[in-house]
Amino acid sequence: GAVVSQHPSWVICKSGTSVKIECRSLDFQATTMFWYRQFPKQSLMLMATSNEGSKATYEQGVEKDKFLINHASLTLSTLTVTSAHPEDSSFYICSAIGQGAYEQYFGPGTRLTVT
Amino acid sequence: QQQVKQSPQSLIVQKGGISIINCAYENTAFDYFPWYQQFPGKGPALLIAIRPDVSEKKEGRFTISFNKSAKQFSLHIMDSQPGDSATYFCAASIGGFKTIFGAGTRLFVKA
Repeated sequence: GAVVSQHPSWVICKSGTSVKIECRSLDFQATTMFWYRQFPKQSLMLMATSNEGSKATYEQGVEKDKFLINHASLTLSTLTVTSAHPEDSSFYICSAIGQGAYEQYFGPGTRLTVT
Repeated sequence: QQQVKQSPQSLIVQKGGISIINCAYENTAFDYFPWYQQFPGKGPALLIAIRPDVSEKKEGRFTISFNKSAKQFSLHIMDSQPGDSATYFCAASIGGFKTIFGAGTRLFVKA
């Protein structure tokens, strides 16, 4: 099966700092990657969709200047949480989809805690 | 119209029993309906998925039943095992994009 990795798996940062999360597709080329946010005991909420080499498309209510997404290659997308605040603490999960495919494969998630 | 309604919120099943989780959608443009299994602290894992041109799909102990006219689909887990205890999410998407997830069902299988 398709494998997607995320790094780091967990991170603690101080309020006001920025944090970068990497998402990699290990055994397939991901033409599109998605970033989700999940609060405890809640469902996944799509934050943005990114395509390789183009600007990300953000869902309504997601601040694009706060959550910077870069999809530099067919195997790597990054999410940078800028000027993090405690309310940004959450579980961030990426997923990837191959060209022409419907199946999304998810990474293991990154637990962000902002103190 | 973009919602996917999932029920029940939680489910307790005896080992060996059948677990049934239901979902309903409104947007007839959805053309892909996956189910995901998520363990605490982990990312969701694709379990099984169906397209609307098929009424049923079975993979091992997992079966999706799909009713296009009623805009409903369900997951059946046969011979449920304690290792199946997890949160299950149904979802709907258009060509794999704009995926909307249900609220999730926490399944507990009693040994």
